[in-house]
Amino acid sequence: DTEVTQTPKHLVMGMTNKKSLKCEQHMGHRAMYWYKQKAKKPPELMFVYSYEKLSINESVPSRFSPECPNSSLLNLHLHALQPEDSALYLCASSHGDGQKDQPQHFGDGTRLSIL
Amino acid sequence: AQSVSQHNHHVILSEAASLELGCNYSYGGTVNLFWYVQYPGQHLQLLLKYFSGDPLVKGIKGFEAEFIKSKFSFNLRKPSVQWSDTAEYFCAVGNSWGKLQFGAGTQVVVTP
Repeated sequence: DTEVTQTPKHLVMGMTNKKSLKCEQHMGHRAMYWYKQKAKKPPELMFVYSYEKLSINESVPSRFSPECPNSSLLNLHLHALQPEDSALYLCASSHGDGQKDQPQHFGDGTRLSIL
Repeated sequence: AQSVSQHNHHVILSEAASLELGCNYSYGGTVNLFWYVQYPGQHLQLLLKYFSGDPLVKGIKGFEAEFIKSKFSFNLRKPSVQWSDTAEYFCAVGNSWGKLQFGAGTQVVVTP
């Protein structure tokens, strides 16, 4: 079992809906990440939070809005998504201390389907 | 910019055969190198990592990898595979800012 918990495991939503993906870790990690993984493809980095501050945004469309309420939680708010946004969304965490930042621990992901 | 190239997209082999998966990277700075495995329906798991020191790294489940700086390579090996090694294997390069770049992945199928 992974130590990074993601909810929900599956989500089906329409293009006009607003929903949120949640991620939680209790390993004391201070860096958290969102990745998008399409079928048969590697994970692609979306956002990095370091000490609850957004440090990397990989030019992600504004219909994806990350939030880090505290060091254990990471949310991804979704609004007006497109069918091509259907994918597995992975959360990860790591220690968050420069070169000691790696490795990243991954959650099981949320499989998102946009109708 | 950093990039990662995995040589094989699909590998099929029999149990007890030896496995070697190639990985080459390009990055101008100090890199951290990883191999992750994704078993069917499961989350990404770290197999092994290289930060510095001994270039031959041993990981979980009998896997090892060798960092060859002059070749910008970090190939994964296992002397004798089992059916349970059927999975997708990803090589990844990390930089000091926390950005992890994955290779395209290699689907490994081990037949009984």
